[in-house]
Amino acid sequence: KQEVTQIPAALSVPEGENLVLNCSFTDSAIYNLQWFRQDPGKGLTSLLLIQSSQREQTSGRLNASLDKSSGRSTLYIAASQPGDSATYLCAVEGGSEKLVFGKGTKLTVNP
Amino acid sequence: GAVVSQHPSRVICKSGTSVKIECRSLDFQATTMFWYRQFPKQSLMLMATSNEGSKATYEQGVEKDKFLINHASLTLSTLTVTSAHPEDSSFYICSGQGDGGKLFFGSGTQLSVL
Repeated sequence: KQEVTQIPAALSVPEGENLVLNCSFTDSAIYNLQWFRQDPGKGLTSLLLIQSSQREQTSGRLNASLDKSSGRSTLYIAASQPGDSATYLCAVEGGSEKLVFGKGTKLTVNP
Repeated sequence: GAVVSQHPSRVICKSGTSVKIECRSLDFQATTMFWYRQFPKQSLMLMATSNEGSKATYEQGVEKDKFLINHASLTLSTLTVTSAHPEDSSFYICSGQGDGGKLFFGSGTQLSVL
């Protein structure tokens, strides 16, 4: 059974700092890995999707890496802003086509 | 752009009553709708998968008679929590998948059963 773990559970940083969120998964047989952002009352927003054959994806200040063999992914946020404050979820899609989510990392960026 | 509209955003009900949650796909046709729930400090967990016009497929441990899912059209799916109990209090969120495979999530429904 696939399990997804996200560390840390919560993170508080000053504005402008670069930061890394970690995600690990137990079964490396995945189709893809996604990073989502969860804002209260606004649902989930897909940030980056990395196919199993890819090693990283970039979108603006966000960069996500994938090391499938070791079961790890990182989300790098450059020059963090208060608007980045949210819960970030990692999810993997495997052979059953189900998304398995981690518990999330709650990020607070202080002005 | 493609959006999934989910209502209500928050509902409080008495134990034993039924609650219906609606998800509508706007600007796209959701051939598949996924329903998740999230207990505090826990992961989003898939409850069921529904394809338009057919019966939903429920995950292990999810009672199909308690959580009724209707996906009668390509733009509307509903989840009805029947005879709700306090242990059903949770955050419920839907996700619509279009032809391209991309997922679009609703804004979620916080259910509190007294």
